[in-house]
Amino acid sequence: DAGVIQSPRHEVTEMGQEVTLRCKPISGHDYLFWYRQTMMRGLELLIYFNNNVPIDDSGMPEDRFSAKMPNASFSTLKIQPSEPRDSAVYFCASSLWLIHNEQFFGPGTRLTVL
Amino acid sequence: AQSVTQPDIHITVSEGASLELRCNYSYGATPYLFWYVQSPGQGLQLLLKYFSGDTLVQGIKGFEAEFKRSQSSFNLRKPSVHWSDAAEYFCAVGSNNNDMRFGAGTRLTVKP
Repeated sequence: DAGVIQSPRHEVTEMGQEVTLRCKPISGHDYLFWYRQTMMRGLELLIYFNNNVPIDDSGMPEDRFSAKMPNASFSTLKIQPSEPRDSAVYFCASSLWLIHNEQFFGPGTRLTVL
Repeated sequence: AQSVTQPDIHITVSEGASLELRCNYSYGATPYLFWYVQSPGQGLQLLLKYFSGDTLVQGIKGFEAEFKRSQSSFNLRKPSVHWSDAAEYFCAVGSNNNDMRFGAGTRLTVKP
């Protein structure tokens, strides 16, 4: 398996633009997580899905952020409109079980909002 | 909710020297504990994990960690550091509430 795949790896956009980050989890994994990593706040869990259903989105910073998982092999994290303070590295991770099993992380998307 | 503290933001050790990275957690019940490593530009990779049983756990790349309930600690150790171990290390704690919290990370620099 190729592991968790994220695209794009780097994204530079201007304030106010819509940004869509994509993630393909490891085949067979039924949990998918979106994290954000910044110097100031470290690694934060934004939202996670189980069997394509959002379970906990309490970490989503505000309504500008939304996440979907239309099928078991694809998820998106969308920011609309984007702001400079959204600049961060966004990671997607997947696992078989929520806690007892390892979360496999993707390489991340580095987002810069100018 | 549980929380994790990694007291050391940055540690520098010489190649071949021993290493210990500190991790303290706060949680009312038995925690699920993890150590992850992040190389520059990469995602996080699991080094080892503790759920129950033997409090000394072995991981990949020669790392080990010891769970000490009395000290609420889960420190990561390696007897001899290699230059390739330079990276950021994250301690994490999970709970029965299906929530995992990561520490702020410790950046390891290895001197030749």
